[in-house]
Amino acid sequence: GAGVSQSPRYKVAKRGQDVALRCDPISGHVSLFWYQQALGQGPEFLTYFQNEAQLDKSGLPSDRFFAERPEGSVSTLKIQRTQQEDSAVYLCASSLAALGELFFGEGSRLTVL
Amino acid sequence: RKEVEQDPGPFNVPEGATVAFNCTYSNSASQSFFWYRQDCRKEPKLLMSVYSSGNEDGRFTAQLNRASQYISLLIRDSKLSDSATYLCVVNPTRGSARQLTFGSGTQLTVLP
Repeated sequence: GAGVSQSPRYKVAKRGQDVALRCDPISGHVSLFWYQQALGQGPEFLTYFQNEAQLDKSGLPSDRFFAERPEGSVSTLKIQRTQQEDSAVYLCASSLAALGELFFGEGSRLTVL
Repeated sequence: RKEVEQDPGPFNVPEGATVAFNCTYSNSASQSFFWYRQDCRKEPKLLMSVYSSGNEDGRFTAQLNRASQYISLLIRDSKLSDSATYLCVVNPTRGSARQLTFGSGTQLTVLP
């Protein structure tokens, strides 16, 4: 596809469940970012990849959050033992290089009950 | 104190009105600045970059005041389609998209 694709678009999890969110960046985009957007707030940075290398994970809120991009294309954000405060929209974005405009996917909306 | 602060609004204005949004940022070393637009339940999209000299794109004008650490967005002749949340975005790193810092957004509704 032409844009950043994320799945699932909606996920409901029971507290304590593990979830995995997938991001397909724009083909050829080297840089990939994950952001978390809580209701009524702006997106907050979670982590950044350049190709397969995770160069910055300073925004991950706890060790329950883990992201990977093993082949430098598709990325997965995994949240273990979900908590209610993890409920948010998780946005993936990609850019052609470290420079340049970010293109966001529509996000994965996670609700933890 | 949040790194990027915006008036959350909401701003409700009639069609054709001029509306201005303001934003302040705390990191004086910030290098680049943007306005993003986010429609309800959609992803943020780049509206325009903000340059020190000020820049204009059609009905939209962005201004940056580095001394005051203040960014503004002016929308002239508002259209119904301008209704959205406008996010002020600051990048502390020159020439890199890493770690964009977003404000909480200002909600605009343009009324017929």
